[in-house]
Amino acid sequence: DGGITQSPKYLFRKEGQNVTLSCEQNLNHDAMYWYRQDPGQGLRLIYYSQIVNDFQKGDIAEGYSVSREKKESFPLTVTSAQKNPTAFYLCASSSQLISEKLFFGSGTQLSVL
Amino acid sequence: GQSLEQPSEVTAVEGAIVQINCTYQTSGFYGLSWYQQHDGGAPTFLSYNALDGLEETGRFSSFLSRSDSYGYLLLQELQMKDSASYFCAVSPYNQGGKLIFGQGTELSVKP
Repeated sequence: DGGITQSPKYLFRKEGQNVTLSCEQNLNHDAMYWYRQDPGQGLRLIYYSQIVNDFQKGDIAEGYSVSREKKESFPLTVTSAQKNPTAFYLCASSSQLISEKLFFGSGTQLSVL
Repeated sequence: GQSLEQPSEVTAVEGAIVQINCTYQTSGFYGLSWYQQHDGGAPTFLSYNALDGLEETGRFSSFLSRSDSYGYLLLQELQMKDSASYFCAVSPYNQGGKLIFGQGTELSVKP
């Protein structure tokens, strides 16, 4: 089955530590996205990528980094510069950037120890 | 900038009809989308309105009026499994088409 897979489901970060969230899709989609969701809130865009080896900052990119070395993969690193990283992180993909239909992964809950 | 306003909570009974409104302030956009998210789960796409008017998909319908900067999601014959959060989203022209999401409406369906 085609889909988008995020791992791990739960992740804990220590102070000063960088952590990487995995996102893989086998939908052959060009565009991929990372969103952050805080309790009771909407989704805020962190980074997005239209094509391999290219990505752009979203609305809340500070303290995060991404890479897009392969079409299928779009990992997100939460760096130590992100002072409030506790949130639910959602990865998504779409066939093209201007698309109303995003396919989401099941999310990663990141907490700080 | 862009902003979307939705009610934070809505409660309805099983079998009823409920309307979730979305008002927005944006200069121009490709369309209005709706997503459903069950607690702790992934958002799933429900519907999309590129043009004004009503789009129907089974028990769910969505409406858009660009002149009124307003849209809504209509859920009919409510079921307990419809209890979830519902998000509207727009893809503004000046944002390269990226989706901007509202804060979400938590729908509680009671027996």
